[in-house]
Amino acid sequence: DAGITQSPRHKVTETGTPVTLRCHQTENHRYMYWYRQDPGHGLRLIHYSYGVKDTDKGEVSDGYSVSRSKTEDFLLTLESATSSQTSVYFCAISEETEGVDGYTFGSGTRLTVV
Amino acid sequence: GDSVTQMEGPVTLSEEAFLTINCTYTATGYPSLFWYVQYPGEGLQLLLKATKADDKGSNKGFEATYRKETTSFHLEKGSVQVSDSAVYFCALSEGRGDYKLSFGAGTTVTVRA
Repeated sequence: DAGITQSPRHKVTETGTPVTLRCHQTENHRYMYWYRQDPGHGLRLIHYSYGVKDTDKGEVSDGYSVSRSKTEDFLLTLESATSSQTSVYFCAISEETEGVDGYTFGSGTRLTVV
Repeated sequence: GDSVTQMEGPVTLSEEAFLTINCTYTATGYPSLFWYVQYPGEGLQLLLKATKADDKGSNKGFEATYRKETTSFHLEKGSVQVSDSAVYFCALSEGRGDYKLSFGAGTTVTVRA
């Protein structure tokens, strides 16, 4: 979907190095989310944001931090990458509506930690 | 907390076969329920949704009915095609204002010609 892009699409990094993944949206949506996808676990929420500078932890936040200095950008940082963080990372955005419309997802970032 | 349980895959079917993927949920309130589909190499796309009990979501020949009495939201399609090969995720949102979604583990479906 052209309204949300993730970068990079693929990355290989070494254990112990910091890594930052970027999510960019052009929809002006308030809510943004970072998930990781692993076999047998589905998608698990890492962090989410409900506005500029407003973020909160998800269920698997250890070892990750986020920042949102602008509405359109949500950054995920692995402070010191470990092999257990090898995964596919998805960003998602959501409108603030009375009902729940669900998410729009980015195409994902495949991260390999060696 | 909220959780979603899906039938384990993988599921392999022949074209024109009937597909059912079971999904049950645990939630404290009255969640909205979703099915997402992920085609190879892509992100997830919303397939259908239902926001209250007895609602039926439908899209692309797929259907699912929100059953509060059995806490279920099973996905069905009467005649699958090769192009339906994908991973299907059941998800729920309590709609507490943060719109967080909880996902099932996903079911991989392969349709053979």
